[in-house]
Amino acid sequence: KQEVTQIPAALSVPEGENLVLNCSFTDSAIYNLQWFRQDPGKGLTSLLLIQSSQREQTSGRLNASLDKSSGRSTLYIAASQPGDSATYLCAVHDNDMRFGAGTRLTVKP
Amino acid sequence: NAGVTQTPKFQVLKTGQSMTLQCAQDMNHEYMSWYRQDPGMGLRLIHYSVGAGITDQGEVPNGYNVSRSTTEDFPLRLLSAAPSQTSVYFCASRQQGISSYEQYFGPGTRLTVT
Repeated sequence: KQEVTQIPAALSVPEGENLVLNCSFTDSAIYNLQWFRQDPGKGLTSLLLIQSSQREQTSGRLNASLDKSSGRSTLYIAASQPGDSATYLCAVHDNDMRFGAGTRLTVKP
Repeated sequence: NAGVTQTPKFQVLKTGQSMTLQCAQDMNHEYMSWYRQDPGMGLRLIHYSVGAGITDQGEVPNGYNVSRSTTEDFPLRLLSAAPSQTSVYFCASRQQGISSYEQYFGPGTRLTVT
């Protein structure tokens, strides 16, 4: 059974810092991996989708990498801003979609 | 496009009551699914559907029923609510296919069972 782990569970950084969020998964037979953002009391907003054949995807200040062989993905956020404060979830798609528990990010002004 | 919509946004039930959570999408997506989100546990799949007339169980299906009579709608029924079903419920949709596609989520329904 696929298991997805996100470390750390919570992270607090000062504004302007570059940061990395980690996601690991146990079964490398995936179709894709998707990173989401969730604001308190809200739904999930898709940030980046990496297909299994890709190594990374970029969108603005966000860069996500995928290493299937080691079962790892990272989400890099450059020059963090208070508006980046949210919970970030990764999900791997094999036959189903399995989610990690998320990393709660706080960016302090 | 409205995307994925869910109603109601909030609901309080008494133990034993039944209700239906509504979900609709206007993107002509074949695949629709229901998740529940509990603190510290991420999202867990309840039921999913790959097209009208076809549904299947996910990781935590007990206590829930679904049906898919149209491409657009995928309601989730709680037959006899229990306090353990207190959670936030999300509906999602995407295109179906082996080279899978981006998944879109609704805003969620926050359910409390007393």
